[in-house]
Amino acid sequence: GENVEQHPSTLSVQEGDSAVIKCTYSDSASNYFPWYKQELGKRPQLIIDIRSNVGEKKDQRIAVTLNKTAKHFSLHITETQPEDSAVYFCAASTDSGYSTLTFGKGTMLLVSP
Amino acid sequence: DSGVTQTPKHLITATGQRVTLRCSPRSGDLSVYWYQQSLDQGLQFLIQYYNGEERAKGNILERFSAQQFPDLHSELNLSSLELGDSALYFCASSARGDGKTEAFFGQGTRLTVV
Repeated sequence: GENVEQHPSTLSVQEGDSAVIKCTYSDSASNYFPWYKQELGKRPQLIIDIRSNVGEKKDQRIAVTLNKTAKHFSLHITETQPEDSAVYFCAASTDSGYSTLTFGKGTMLLVSP
Repeated sequence: DSGVTQTPKHLITATGQRVTLRCSPRSGDLSVYWYQQSLDQGLQFLIQYYNGEERAKGNILERFSAQQFPDLHSELNLSSLELGDSALYFCASSARGDGKTEAFFGQGTRLTVV
């Protein structure tokens, strides 16, 4: 099945800096890559997703890039704010047989004022 | 509020016992996913149902089982509980069962096995 690796496991930045979280996946048939944000004590929520027919997608301060050849995708957060502090999960979904979401282990992002 | 309801929110039980976690998906969603979240393992996929049928299985232990009922709510049964089963269990639902659309998570059930 699909395997998703996520790095780093923790990331500390100063407010206003940029943050980058990287994920790699194993199944070349994967074609949907969402990112979820989980604030402390709360449920994961989708923040952005990308499909394999595009290389980059932006939504205000967040962007996701996809490199299908290298089988990796990244989340970029610019002008970070303290409220961006959370655990971020990447995920991948394949077209091989029945598909479900396979998540990475998460990155804890800490934004210091 | 995601529209996905999980009960109970907290559960404390002893080793060897059996518990049932319940999930009501968003109105109209046919697919239900169960995930286990522990500190060092992220979101581990357990099992998925779509319109009452098992669709995909992840790393679900034989002591665990699930089902989705005709009204689309789902239950996750955990038996012969061990200390290591202590975790946050999430249910998520989506309109389609192909993993290509947003999954809406419930608030989770925190299980503590003592």
